[in-house]
Amino acid sequence: RKEVEQDPGPFNVPEGATVAFNCTYSNSASQSFFWYRQDCRKEPKLLMSVYSSGNEDGRFTAQLNRASQYISLLIRDSKLSDSATYLCVVNPLTGGGNKLTFGTGTQLKVEL
Amino acid sequence: EADIYQTPRYLVIGTGKKITLECSQTMGHDKMYWYQQDPGMELHLIHYSYGVNSTEKGDLSSESTVSRIRTEHFPLTLESARPSHTSQYLCATRDGNTEAFFGQGTRLTVV
Repeated sequence: RKEVEQDPGPFNVPEGATVAFNCTYSNSASQSFFWYRQDCRKEPKLLMSVYSSGNEDGRFTAQLNRASQYISLLIRDSKLSDSATYLCVVNPLTGGGNKLTFGTGTQLKVEL
Repeated sequence: EADIYQTPRYLVIGTGKKITLECSQTMGHDKMYWYQQDPGMELHLIHYSYGVNSTEKGDLSSESTVSRIRTEHFPLTLESARPSHTSQYLCATRDGNTEAFFGQGTRLTVV
């Protein structure tokens, strides 16, 4: 089983739709969690950190469920410019807490 | 924005050549990482360092080697390039348990 699992998609949604991504992780002692966005042939960039209490940044909401070991990302009122691959990232305690483990990514395509 | 630089951005080189990919950062971050990513595929961790003179192999076996003599630099070396090494190589830095910042990557093609 992979340490971090995501549905690869693609998710094809119309502009203005609400879309949700889930990500599960296997290491229950994981410390920190992030969502990254990666555009085609570009480097990953931080979208938002994920806090235990949940957090929101404009149209984006991230939530963490430690009991069930999953993280979610909700995008409201999706825009064409939201089209990208969204990577779930977990900081497990393996490797002394020094490593970051990336999911395979979920591809989002927002269409007119 | 993070100050992390990778050179070269693009490299086309012949089989058997020695290659060094440079990664430098000006933020004083203790942790640095090298990832390999093929187009449309997932990131694979190949090396990481949590400080000067510390290096560890990542999750994906790689024929490359790294060094961390100074905080700012984390070069990756391939002693003898092969076509199977063709890929994008991404360097990242991190301060403690905060988020990672990525360089723009080096796109390597071995012919």
